[in-house]
Amino acid sequence: DAGVIQSPRHEVTEMGQEVTLRCKPISGHNSLFWYRQTMMRGLELLIYFNNNVPIDDSGMPEDRFSAKMPNASFSTLKIQPSEPRDSAVYFCASSRAAGGLYNEQFFGPGTRLTVL
Amino acid sequence: QQQVKQSPQSLIVQKGGISIINCAYENTAFDYFPWYQQFPGKGPALLIAIRPDVSEKKEGRFTISFNKSAKQFSLHIMDSQPGDSATYFCAASPPSYTGANSKLTFGKGITLSVRP
Repeated sequence: DAGVIQSPRHEVTEMGQEVTLRCKPISGHNSLFWYRQTMMRGLELLIYFNNNVPIDDSGMPEDRFSAKMPNASFSTLKIQPSEPRDSAVYFCASSRAAGGLYNEQFFGPGTRLTVL
Repeated sequence: QQQVKQSPQSLIVQKGGISIINCAYENTAFDYFPWYQQFPGKGPALLIAIRPDVSEKKEGRFTISFNKSAKQFSLHIMDSQPGDSATYFCAASPPSYTGANSKLTFGKGITLSVRP
């Protein structure tokens, strides 16, 4: 299995530009999570999906952020317009829910975003 | 409000020593407590996890101790090795009653350095 795939791995953009981060979860997993990691705030959950449906987006910082999961094998996180304070590493993770037990989240390698 | 708090913020241990990382939580509804390990440039990966029906779980050199009344749990790394140098996150999750995954709340992470 290839694991969780994220693209791009690095993104440098200028303030005001639109940024789209992409994630392909592990095949067969039905939950997908988007996280943001910074030195100041640590690892923050932005949004998560179960069976392609957004369950909790309370961590999305503001309306500039949006996430979609059009099918079980693809999700995007979009920032429009981007700002320097959005600079962080963004992780996607996936998991397979089974029988009511909590299951391990598998993280992708992350996308390092720098907004100038 | 930080629901999961880690201490210390950083830790330096000599090779062969014992590393101890502590975590305190506030939400008594939490019933799943994993530790994640993250190496530079990589996503976090599950190291070991515990549920509150046991007070201790051991996997190789890694042990979780759980104190439900104090709402604390800790990670012990025996015979610490330079390869254990990484960032460690504790996390917690409420139960899932629907078969879908619940979200993890992460601590801010601590950096462990094991000196040769």
